[in-house]
Amino acid sequence: KAGVTQTPRYLIKTRGQQVTLSCSPISGHRSVSWYQQTPGQGLQFLFEYFSETQRNKGNFPGRFSGRQFSNSRSEMNVSTLELGDSALYLCASSLASSDTGELFFGEGSRLTVL
Amino acid sequence: GENVEQHPSTLSVQEGDSAVIKCTYSDSASNYFPWYKQELGKRPQLIIDIRSNVGEKKDQRIAVTLNKTAKHFSLHITETQPEDSAVYFCAATTGNTPLVFGKGTRLSVIA
Repeated sequence: KAGVTQTPRYLIKTRGQQVTLSCSPISGHRSVSWYQQTPGQGLQFLFEYFSETQRNKGNFPGRFSGRQFSNSRSEMNVSTLELGDSALYLCASSLASSDTGELFFGEGSRLTVL
Repeated sequence: GENVEQHPSTLSVQEGDSAVIKCTYSDSASNYFPWYKQELGKRPQLIIDIRSNVGEKKDQRIAVTLNKTAKHFSLHITETQPEDSAVYFCAATTGNTPLVFGKGTRLSVIA
């Protein structure tokens, strides 16, 4: 069974640009969560989608948005990029919801904002 | 909302010694506490978890303990090996909210 796939793995953007990251969950998993990982800050929750509906949203500005498609694939978008948005963005999928069982993480998309 | 504090941020132990990582949580309604291990350049992976109706859980060399009264839980690794070197994250959830992670502990096992 294929794992969680994230694309692109690496990308470099400049301030003010926008970026879209993609996540394909494990087949059969309906929940997708996104986390931002930065040195010293751990994993900070961005949002969770289940059956195309946003179930939870973390404490991030409105520049961060996401969506989930009918095939459970998810995208997140960051507009008007800032230097502080440089981070590893991790996607995780689970069978039901992120609060009741194991999260299966992808390898992440490493975003560098110059 | 939930807040998870994790200590220490870095930990170095000699191979064969034990390592203990401690976490505290703020929401007394939290009932699920997983631990994830992230090796350098790899994705986080679940290594053990515990639910609030259990005080301790073991899996070979790793164990987790939970003290609901004090609102803290700990990861214990015995007979540490070089392959245990990684960043470990604790997390907590009430079951109705997303997992909230601690900031991580970088464990180095010195051969």
